[in-house]
Amino acid sequence: GAGVSQSPSNKVTEKGKDVELRCDPISGHTALYWYRQSLGQGLEFLIYFQGNSAPDKSGLPSDRFSAERTGGSVSTLTIQRTQQEDSAVYLCASSPNFVSGELFFGEGSRLTVL
Amino acid sequence: GENVEQHPSTLSVQEGDSAVIKCTYSDSASNYFPWYKQELGKRPQLIIDIRSNVGEKKDQRIAVTLNKTAKHFSLHITETQPEDSAVYFCAVSGYSTLTFGKGTMLLVSP
Repeated sequence: GAGVSQSPSNKVTEKGKDVELRCDPISGHTALYWYRQSLGQGLEFLIYFQGNSAPDKSGLPSDRFSAERTGGSVSTLTIQRTQQEDSAVYLCASSPNFVSGELFFGEGSRLTVL
Repeated sequence: GENVEQHPSTLSVQEGDSAVIKCTYSDSASNYFPWYKQELGKRPQLIIDIRSNVGEKKDQRIAVTLNKTAKHFSLHITETQPEDSAVYFCAVSGYSTLTFGKGTMLLVSP
């Protein structure tokens, strides 16, 4: 079946604008994660959704970042009033159930803030 | 929260040599330790993982060893090949999120 799908693949925006990044996880996967990868850096955890439980938002770097997951499937990561330091690749991953299992990553959304 | 340190940040080897990447973690309750490989421009993919009730796991040319007492685990790649060139990430989880190390860029020269 289809893998994790992310859109847009590339986004260039001006400083101060809001952006929305979308993730379609693998069908049936209850766990969904957002990570941020800056050039030459590791995978920085942002937020984790597991089924109907309250999301773990402990990785969100500021209140400009938010995410939601509708109907236990599609997720949207929103960055308000973007800053240049927000430029990175935003990776979404899903997993069949609990955190201790294989994560299936999407191709990522590359965000460039001018 | 969990703190994961990964070393070295870069590693260059000749084809056929072995490569070892080491990670340390801080939370003694952590019980799951996967390794991901990310080729240039590609998404990270799981290559091997180990759980806390096991000390070592092998899959062909790759192996992972875990020392829970010392809170470190290592990835071993034997008989390296040019296609092993990539960035390798270790990760750690307990009962919450998966925390990744900063990655090791492995370059295998023919």
